Amino acid sequence: GAVVSQHPSRVICKSGTSVKIECRSLDFQATTMFWYRQFPKQSLMLMATSNEGSKATYEQGVEKDKFLINHASLTLSTLTVTSAHPEDSSFYICSAREVPGRAQYFGPGTRLLVL
Amino acid sequence: AQKITQTQPGMFVQEKEAVTLDCTYDTSDPSYGLFWYKQPSSGEMIFLIYQGSYDQQNATEGRYSLNFQKARKSANLVISASQLGDSAMYFCAMREGHPTGANNLFFGTGTRLTVIP
Repeated sequence: GAVVSQHPSRVICKSGTSVKIECRSLDFQATTMFWYRQFPKQSLMLMATSNEGSKATYEQGVEKDKFLINHASLTLSTLTVTSAHPEDSSFYICSAREVPGRAQYFGPGTRLLVL
Repeated sequence: AQKITQTQPGMFVQEKEAVTLDCTYDTSDPSYGLFWYKQPSSGEMIFLIYQGSYDQQNATEGRYSLNFQKARKSANLVISASQLGDSAMYFCAMREGHPTGANNLFFGTGTRLTVIP
């Protein structure tokens, strides 16, 4: 099946710093990528939908200025958590769709811990 | 209203036995797709099986099968011959609209399956 990679897999940072997470579709082109956030023992919550070459669509309650998303190419989307705070600590998962197609593939996730 | 409902927070099954994980959904869109994902402790979301709303037959993928009852709006996952490696969280998800559209997946709250040796 299609592979989606995420980097880094784990990051620890100090409060106030910014963290960039990369999501790549390795063997297919993805015009649409999704960014999710998952708290312990909870389900995945969609943060934003990233479309190549255009601005991301953010879900209600997600601060676009805090969670910057850039979908620069058909194989790369980045999520930057700006001025991270401890409450931003979470598991961030990206997902990509192969177009055309039904399947949606997920990256391995990034565990962010803000001290 | 919840679009995806998984009523079983946790399930136990004996190794080599079959288990059914429940999922009901709510949509008014005649075109939709239903997905099941497995999330082991590592966190990776692993795609298991897909069922389209217009598919005539229940989807099957190896030991996984989807019991699709459209009138009841249910899409239960059946895992046959359970293995210890099946222990994980299982999420049911739905996408509304055309299968090739860019709509998002709505996830249920998940079911934690534990396979007992």
